[in-house]
Amino acid sequence: QSVLTQPPSASGTPGQRVTISCSGSSSNIGSNTVNWYQQLPGTAPKLLIYNNNQRPSGVPDRFSGSKSGTSASLAISGLHSEDEADYYCVAWDDSLNGPVFGGGTKLTVL
Amino acid sequence: QLQLQESGPGLVKPSETLSLTCAVSGGSISSSAYFWGWFRQSPGKGLEWIGSIYYRGSTHYNPSLKSRVTISVDTSKNQFALKLSSVTAADTAVYYCARIEGLWFGDLLKYNWFDPWGQGTLVTVSS
Repeated sequence: QSVLTQPPSASGTPGQRVTISCSGSSSNIGSNTVNWYQQLPGTAPKLLIYNNNQRPSGVPDRFSGSKSGTSASLAISGLHSEDEADYYCVAWDDSLNGPVFGGGTKLTVL
Repeated sequence: QLQLQESGPGLVKPSETLSLTCAVSGGSISSSAYFWGWFRQSPGKGLEWIGSIYYRGSTHYNPSLKSRVTISVDTSKNQFALKLSSVTAADTAVYYCARIEGLWFGDLLKYNWFDPWGQGTLVTVSS
């Protein structure tokens, strides 16, 4: 059971906007930044969003992140078929003194 | 650009020690700004942080694995290593290494992002 809670699945059609939620507590999301990772099938995770809402170089601006209180969200607008992947949220946890992951959300592009 | 590559046996017997190495290329492991970490992903499951090391040798382990984990660094070879002892079938997973950005708040260290990641290596625990 993961410390951060994500929906196990999400879906959308090409061109649609989808959001993936990540729920935590005061010891993790509530007091630290959230990062998001994209894992395409059969590949390693890739940093997608850092510091709640920053995109690394090369990540399309269709991807955006936000945080409020003890929850965070990843939004993908103008959905592409190649966005089909697993998405993970991660934050530092002050109580556990280590990084904690969400269980991952499998995004299906219909 | 910076690249990481895991290597090691793909099959380990129960009760033995899993040993992996992560070779860093395109940059120095001795950079003061970063830490170096190990993660794993069990089949069909999510990601888990195993532990991390700084180039000077200081380590930080996941409390749930701490009693069985040793991470070391070899700056002359620009690589770091993972040893996980007394393995069971539950340790079967894809193991990844990654660079970690650390943030200091006075004397308190927290990790921020992990990037880049190695391609991962599957380790199966079976007799």
